[in-house]
Amino acid sequence: GENVEQHPSTLSVQEGDSAVIKCTYSDSASNYFPWYKQELGKRPQLIIDIRSNVGEKKDQRIAVTLNKTAKHFSLHITETQPEDSAVYFCAASRPGGSYIPTFGRGTSLIVHP
Amino acid sequence: EPEVTQTPSHQVTQMGQEVILRCVPISNHLYFYWYRQILGQKVEFLVSFYNNEISEKSEIFDDQFSVERPDGSNFTLKIRSTKLEDSAMYFCASSAGEKFFGPGTRLTVL
Repeated sequence: GENVEQHPSTLSVQEGDSAVIKCTYSDSASNYFPWYKQELGKRPQLIIDIRSNVGEKKDQRIAVTLNKTAKHFSLHITETQPEDSAVYFCAASRPGGSYIPTFGRGTSLIVHP
Repeated sequence: EPEVTQTPSHQVTQMGQEVILRCVPISNHLYFYWYRQILGQKVEFLVSFYNNEISEKSEIFDDQFSVERPDGSNFTLKIRSTKLEDSAMYFCASSAGEKFFGPGTRLTVL
């Protein structure tokens, strides 16, 4: 099955700095890569996603890149703010109607004001 | 914006008891899921449900677990005889493409 590795497990930055979270996946058939933000005690919320026919996608301060050859994808947050502090999960999913993502272990992002 | 809802928000039970966790998916979604998240760990897939039957399940979803869509709106997860290690946050999700998670039910098994 799919195996998703995520690094780092904890990331501490100063407000205004950039943050990068990296993930690798094992199943070359995976073609959908969502990123979720989970604030303490709350549900995971989809913040951005990318499909395998796209190399990069950007939405305001967040961007995701995908390298299919190397089977890795990354989340980039620029101009970080304290409210970006949360656990971020990457995921990878195979094609099909009932997509079932395999989640990474999560990165706890702490943005210090 | 429509949301997935779950009840109860917190369930405390004794080991060996049966629990039923309830979810109301978004009304026009066709795929339904249960995930669990042990405190401080990643979100783990349990089961997916489509067209009134299980489409996939993980190794976690053993004979103690079952799912049901008893009517047109509810989607339930039953754990027949709870164990201490079943203590976790259980998230329901529904999808018509993008997946939406419910707020979760925190299950505590004593």
